[in-house]
Amino acid sequence: GAGVSQSPRYKVAKRGQDVALRCDPISGHVSLFWYQQALGQGPEFLTYFQNEAQLDKSGLPSDRFFAERPEGSVSTLKIQRTQQEDSAVYLCASSLVIRASSYEQYFGPGTRLTVT
Amino acid sequence: RKEVEQDPGPFNVPEGATVAFNCTYSNSASQSFFWYRQDCRKEPKLLMSVYSSGNEDGRFTAQLNRASQYISLLIRDSKLSDSATYLCVVNREDKLSFGAGTTVTVRA
Repeated sequence: GAGVSQSPRYKVAKRGQDVALRCDPISGHVSLFWYQQALGQGPEFLTYFQNEAQLDKSGLPSDRFFAERPEGSVSTLKIQRTQQEDSAVYLCASSLVIRASSYEQYFGPGTRLTVT
Repeated sequence: RKEVEQDPGPFNVPEGATVAFNCTYSNSASQSFFWYRQDCRKEPKLLMSVYSSGNEDGRFTAQLNRASQYISLLIRDSKLSDSATYLCVVNREDKLSFGAGTTVTVRA
C-alpha cells in the first residue's frame, strides 16, 4: 500500500521567505510526527499529533515554526521568515497506534529545505 | 550532552565479517529502545526493537544493558547490502530521541 508521502521533495527558499511542507500519512494512522534532520545528525523531534490534536510541540525551535493537522490526516509544517539555520531535511512519520513511540513509526522520504 | 551518543564510525569491514557497535543513552527513565537503518539520502526504517533479554533477527543481534545505559548491535556475516547508517533510538514519554548514527560500509 501507499506509504507516507511528503511534498515538495526539495525546496529552495530565500532567507526571509515563508515555506509550507506537506505530509500525507498512511491512511488510518492516528499519530503523526515531524522531525528535523541536519546533515550528519540523527532526526530531531519537532512536534507530535494524535489525530488533529497537537500533543507535544516542545521540539519546535522557535515561534517561526508552526504545524497543523486540522482534519486528523494531512499535516502541514510552516516555517515563517526562513533563516539559513533552517536548512535541513524535514521528515514526517506516522504510526497506527496512540502510544506511537512504542510502535513502529513509518517515515516519509523527507523534504530537503535549503535556505539561501 | 546529547540524550543518545553513538560512535559515528565509519566501520569499514569485508563481506562475511562480524561488526559490532553500541550507543549510550543519558536518561535512565527511557522506556523502549530501537535500531533504525538509514540509507544515504533516504528515510530511516525500523531495523529491530531491543529488549532487555537481548534479541536476534536473522544476522542481527541487539542487546540492552539498563544498568550501564547502553545498547549494542552486532551484525554477523556482513553483506554488501548492510552498508548504511545505523541509528540508535530511545523512547521516553512517547518521544523518540535519535543518535547521530554509526556508518557501516561493507566491501567486497
